[in-house]
Amino acid sequence: DAKTTQPTSMDCAEGRAANLPCNHSTISGNEYVYWYRQIHSQGPQYIIHGLKNNETNEMASLIITEDRKSSTLILPHATLRDTAVYYCIVRLEGYGSQGNLIFGKGTKLSVKP
Amino acid sequence: DVKVTQSSRYLVKRTGEKVFLECVQDMDHENMFWYRQDPGLGLRLIYFSYDVKMKEKGDIPEGYSVSREKKERFSLILESASTNQTSMYLCASSSRRWENTGELFFGEGSRLTVL
Repeated sequence: DAKTTQPTSMDCAEGRAANLPCNHSTISGNEYVYWYRQIHSQGPQYIIHGLKNNETNEMASLIITEDRKSSTLILPHATLRDTAVYYCIVRLEGYGSQGNLIFGKGTKLSVKP
Repeated sequence: DVKVTQSSRYLVKRTGEKVFLECVQDMDHENMFWYRQDPGLGLRLIYFSYDVKMKEKGDIPEGYSVSREKKERFSLILESASTNQTSMYLCASSSRRWENTGELFFGEGSRLTVL
């Protein structure tokens, strides 16, 4: 699976958009970008995933550059409850039932009042 | 609400003890996983199972074994606990269709301390 690079930490003001970048310059054509987050003392939680088109759901939006070498997760109106570690993961679809998501160190997002 | 339940949030065991970590999911998922999480190392896959009585080694299976006798339950066993197995253990499950949905459901974790 392609390696991802994320900033170690970011701050965001409550109510503002949080934009979390991820670089995956070695991504191949059939690898998806996944985002998970982990709130302190809880297990990781799935947020969103995409291949090449931008995606949006009730939690967030995912913007993938045209060359697919980077992406941005957008939380449109961050709240204090969005404070968490955010993981960007690249994975082949149809990897079989192994489901071996490789979680890196992620970005610690701190939402401040 | 979908749920993955781990039997104990916190455990303290002594070196050499046999330790059982239990995980139950109520979503009728085929796939179940055990990860451990350590500061600076992220999540690492220990074992996974894609069906009852089936198991596959992950990245760090040494010192661990697993059991999947029923679809909803996946147990992690430390035959003889050692201090380097002090960690947060996370169980997860997914449907067989997860290859398309990308969604793993995690439990809240079991923090094991081995003295």
